Amino acid sequence: QKEVEQNSGPLSVPEGAIASLNCTYSDRGSQSFFWYRQYSGKSPELIMFIYSNGDKEDGRFTAQLNKASQYVSLLIRDSQPSDSATYLCAVKSSSGSARQLTFGSGTQLTVLP
Amino acid sequence: EPEVTQTPSHQVTQMGQEVILRCVPISNHLYFYWYRQILGQKVEFLVSFYNNEISEKSEIFDDQFSVERPDGSNFTLKIRSTKLEDSAMYFCASSGQGYQPQHFGDGTRLSIL
Repeated sequence: QKEVEQNSGPLSVPEGAIASLNCTYSDRGSQSFFWYRQYSGKSPELIMFIYSNGDKEDGRFTAQLNKASQYVSLLIRDSQPSDSATYLCAVKSSSGSARQLTFGSGTQLTVLP
Repeated sequence: EPEVTQTPSHQVTQMGQEVILRCVPISNHLYFYWYRQILGQKVEFLVSFYNNEISEKSEIFDDQFSVERPDGSNFTLKIRSTKLEDSAMYFCASSGQGYQPQHFGDGTRLSIL
């Protein structure tokens, strides 16, 4: 059973601070990792994806991957109230042709003005 | 920016009735997916579809479910005899070549009475 675990939160940070969201996964062979943002009642919106160990930056967002520790994280710099949402970690199966995503339960982030 | 579109946004159906959820994937995408999210729970994979056939399906996707690409643009999910526990948000997603990330539609809220 492939598992993706996230701290459900809620995580509260003040406006302008760095928010750090964490995710661990059980399938050691997983290759692709995604962060989606989901506002209440809305669909998942792709924020970042990362395939290689290390950091990947896109604007205020940085994804970090450590395959040896089976750990992926998302940093949000200069957090804004509009960043308040649930952040979903998703992992693509390691099986060669498989493309299904396994989602974590999400971390609810609140950015306080 | 191209997007996945889903109709209807909300479907209310009596238990035991058939329902068809419709999706128009992003036009140059090749892989299509259905996920569902029961209120307050994780996003769960149902099925993936490539080259006019199912490529993967989960345990949830039993004989009551079917998918079809009836023409060059639409992708449908049919539930033959709905149950109360089928009440959920159903998301369609699509992705392009290689390991490009999946993009989600706005979802259809299915309510079974």
